[in-house]
Amino acid sequence: GAGVSQSPRYKVAKRGQDVALRCDPISGHVSLFWYQQALGQGPEFLTYFQNEAQLDKSGLPSDRFFAERPEGSVSTLKIQRTQQEDSAVYLCASSSRIGGNQPQHFGDGTRLSIL
Amino acid sequence: QQQVKQSPQSLIVQKGGIPIINCAYENTAFDYFPWYQQFPGKGPALLIAIRPDVSEKKEGRFTISFNKSAKQFSLHIMDSQPGDSATYFCAAILGYNFNKFYFGSGTKLNVKP
Repeated sequence: GAGVSQSPRYKVAKRGQDVALRCDPISGHVSLFWYQQALGQGPEFLTYFQNEAQLDKSGLPSDRFFAERPEGSVSTLKIQRTQQEDSAVYLCASSSRIGGNQPQHFGDGTRLSIL
Repeated sequence: QQQVKQSPQSLIVQKGGIPIINCAYENTAFDYFPWYQQFPGKGPALLIAIRPDVSEKKEGRFTISFNKSAKQFSLHIMDSQPGDSATYFCAAILGYNFNKFYFGSGTKLNVKP
């Protein structure tokens, strides 16, 4: 596809369950970003990958959050032992160049609801 | 503590009006300021961006004004249309950690026909 693809679009999980969210960036894009967007708020940075290397994970809210990009393309954000405060839209973005001050192309997000 | 403060939270204008959205920051290490447009159920899309060495930038009907001394910047939408109704986010990036975007809290714009 031409854009960033995220799946699933919607995910409902019970508190305590583990979830995995997938991001397919634009082919060939070096940089990949994950953001968390709470209802009515702006996106908040979670983590950044340059190819397969996770260079910045300072935004991950707790050690229950884990992200990987093992082959430098598809990325997965995993949340273990989900809590209600994890309910949000999780956005993935990719960029063809290194660094954030380049156009970032966002996916449409995964809306996660924790019951 | 929010790094980028955005106002107003919501804005209603008539078609043809010029909505203005304002953002302010404190950290002088920010050196790149993009604006994003987001429609419901969609991801943000880059509209226009500016660096602090420029006071104004225009792209189509969108204009950014930048006041470095006041640490403020704003988005103007000329001849606004109902199709411009969306949520707009300003953002800022640190010069030394250009991987991390700091977003404002968003402005929901409604352009009435």
